[in-house]
Parts: sequence; structure tokens; C-alpha cells
Amino acid sequence: EPEVTQTPSHQVTQMGQEVILRCVPISNHLYFYWYRQILGQKVEFLVSFYNNEISEKSEIFDDQFSVERPDGSNFTLKIRSTKLEDSAMYFCASKPGYTGELFFGEGSRLTVL
Amino acid sequence: RKEVEQDPGPFNVPEGATVAFNCTYSNSASQSFFWYRQDCRKEPKLLMSVYSSGNEDGRFTAQLNRASQYISLLIRDSKLSDSATYLCVVPHTGGFKTIFGAGTRLFVKA
Repeated sequence: EPEVTQTPSHQVTQMGQEVILRCVPISNHLYFYWYRQILGQKVEFLVSFYNNEISEKSEIFDDQFSVERPDGSNFTLKIRSTKLEDSAMYFCASKPGYTGELFFGEGSRLTVL
Repeated sequence: RKEVEQDPGPFNVPEGATVAFNCTYSNSASQSFFWYRQDCRKEPKLLMSVYSSGNEDGRFTAQLNRASQYISLLIRDSKLSDSATYLCVVPHTGGFKTIFGAGTRLFVKA
């Protein structure tokens, strides 16, 4: 069964460092998402990506964040200068059409020290 | 009103019990709704989709009340393995983001 894959599963970084989280969405999917979940809190929308551009972003997704789909298969989330409060689980998700369910990857746990 | 609001948990029930969760949403134009299940420190996984008045899958029944803007999830004959957080999910009509409720935690005890 096709699945969304994310790497790394866990990354530990120092405050102020740049981090890139990688995702490979399901191959025939057209809509891509990043969500964040701080430990013990809700799943929060960060950004959606469609047709090679950001389609919507939340207030959380400030200038420190960026997304890219560099080669038609990978979908990356970059955090330019990490802060302690960026420590969270980051989930990538994709879906084939505008409606329908989201398929999630297993997540990348980011720990900022 | 929050975009998606769920019953605060946790719910503690014995095996075999029937338990119901409610979720209210603010956007009256929303057309589709989902219940996801999330185990501790894992990704959310789809439990049920709700496109019309409701849906049933084995022990799980989801009902939609558009007039009152709420969705419910009923779990019959609870199993220990049903212990998880249940997330109500509402795609944003006219936009791309999909909003998650804060989740309702269920503990099923032997």
C-alpha cells in the first residue's frame, strides 16, 4: 500500500540552526501539507502546497519557515533558525484531490536544545 | 466559536461499553468531515469519512447534524485497543487547510 514517508524520524538540533525535514508524498497525490504537533497539544496546520506553490499558510508559518518541492517527488520543510518552541512532531500529509482524506507520514520529531 | 471543537476528555470506560463523542464546527458551508484516530506519539489515521448524514463501519457510527453543525462518533462494545485520541477533522471550504479538533482521549479499561 502506498504511503507517505518522512525523514528523519528524529532530529536534535541547537537553537539557531537550520533544519530541513523531508517528505515523499504518495506518488499520484496533488495536495501536500505540513502539520505540527507540540507534545500534548493539538495537530496544527502549517501550510498547504498545490501546483508547485503555497496555497494556504497559517500564522505559525512565518518567515522562518519555507517549503519546497525540488524534484517532483520530495516535499521539504525548512526552518531557518530554530527556536526552542519549534520542538514538536512535524507531520507531512498528502491527498489525491481537493476533497478526501489526508494521508499522513509517521512524523519527524524535532528537538531544539 | 472555535472552528472545530470537541468534547473535552478523557473518557474512561470499561470494556464492552458504548461511548459517544461530539464535535461542533463553525463553518456551515463545510461539506465533508472525518474522524481520525491518533495513538500516543503516532500519526493520525483515518477512522471514518462523513459526507452525508452519517456512516457506519462495524462498531463505529458517525452521524452528522448539519442544522446544529455537529458530528458525533459512537463506539459500541469498546475494546482495550480502542484506547486512543479521536480527532474530529473538517476541511476548510473554499480553502486548502484542514482543521483538526483538539481531540478526545479515550481510555478503555479491562
